[in-house]
Amino acid sequence: DAGVTQSPTHLIKTRGQQVTLRCSPKSGHDTVSWYQQALGQGPQFIFQYYEEEERQRGNFPDRFSGHQFPNYSSELNVNALLLGDSALYLCASSLWDITEAFFGQGTRLTVV
Amino acid sequence: AQKVTQAQTEISVVEKEDVTLDCVYETRDTTYYLFWYKQPPSGELVFLIRRNSFDEQNEISGRYSWNFQKSTSSFNFTITASQVVDSAVYFCALSEAPRVTGGGNKLTFGTGTQLKVEL
Repeated sequence: DAGVTQSPTHLIKTRGQQVTLRCSPKSGHDTVSWYQQALGQGPQFIFQYYEEEERQRGNFPDRFSGHQFPNYSSELNVNALLLGDSALYLCASSLWDITEAFFGQGTRLTVV
Repeated sequence: AQKVTQAQTEISVVEKEDVTLDCVYETRDTTYYLFWYKQPPSGELVFLIRRNSFDEQNEISGRYSWNFQKSTSSFNFTITASQVVDSAVYFCALSEAPRVTGGGNKLTFGTGTQLKVEL
């Protein structure tokens, strides 16, 4: 049973560019959440997708957007990258009505 | 707003010592869940335990134990006879109960405690 998988593992982008990160949830899960974890900090909630709709959103600007596909996989898009967007981006999958969330290994984004 | 505080930034112990990681939370909700996650250097957050706000019974699982005290808004985590493999960052987290929100589980994390277990 595959767990949560994220791609790519590492990514280096230049300021102003756009980036897309991908996540495949654990088999049977229907909800995907995205978190940003800056160095030395705890993960911060970006948004959550269920039934292909954004259901909850944290305190992040509109440069951060996402999508969920019919197979429950998800993408996180960040436009106009800033140096401060450098972080580990974690994807978590769960069932909509269950609180237990399983995390992927993350994508480490470096903006130069 | 929900808030989780982990006052211990870093703890160093010698193998076989017991160690307790502190977690204090704030929420206006009467129904909520508390979690502990472990993050090894690989980066993946590993789920350790979930507790709901109505269950204050403390739990022991192998070398791990958890002490939930609603009166002090604390959810502390103890590792007995620590091992080098326990070295990691440990996060405490809080979420509303899905039946309150209608679904979903936005997690609010603390800043983490770096545990170093040395030989």
